[in-house]
Amino acid sequence: NAGVTQTPKFQVLKTGQSMTLQCAQDMNHNSMYWYRQDPGMGLRLIYYSASEGTTDKGEVPNGYNVSRLNKREFSLRLESAAPSQTSVYFCASTPFGGSSTDTQYFGPGTRLTVL
Amino acid sequence: AQKITQTQPGMFVQEKEAVTLDCTYDTSDQSYGLFWYKQPSSGEMIFLIYQGSYDEQNATEGRYSLNFQKARKSANLVISASQLGDSAMYFCAMREGLNNQGGKLIFGQGTELSVKP
Repeated sequence: NAGVTQTPKFQVLKTGQSMTLQCAQDMNHNSMYWYRQDPGMGLRLIYYSASEGTTDKGEVPNGYNVSRLNKREFSLRLESAAPSQTSVYFCASTPFGGSSTDTQYFGPGTRLTVL
Repeated sequence: AQKITQTQPGMFVQEKEAVTLDCTYDTSDQSYGLFWYKQPSSGEMIFLIYQGSYDEQNATEGRYSLNFQKARKSANLVISASQLGDSAMYFCAMREGLNNQGGKLIFGQGTELSVKP
């Protein structure tokens, strides 16, 4: 049982390049999330998927797209990377998504640097 | 408007002493949940403790307890008998219940705790 896995762990991009961050969970969770964490700040929600087949914008969606490929996988794509997207990206999942009691479980993070 | 406020950017505590990390929140929902996460220097986010808005008792998990004062809208984390391994960043987070179909969490800016030997 690996929990939430993310690939890659580290990535360096040049401005304008594109890339996809991968996330998978093996806990049969319904809801999945992408957050970014900038230095000295808490996590901010980029996009989320309440259930398979649905995606919605979070607090900071500009410059990103997502795909809920199936129940296990939720990917985050940067179409044209900018230095402002330098951050640590976390994927998370939760069992049901509709209850205030659901705990979110996080992946190990992807450290992205855009030059 | 900021919904989760952690007013202590950094805290120091002596090993074996107790420490309280502050968290205040703002919501108009009656149903909500409050969470604390620990982020060590290795970077992962570790769930510590949960408190529901309707829970009458303060949550406890081992050395962690949550001092929940609903009228004051505060959910402070208390760590008893601090250990060197408690040195980390601590985040308070809230999930509002009624109109939150996606189960989204809102995070505070964090408190960096350093435990001195």
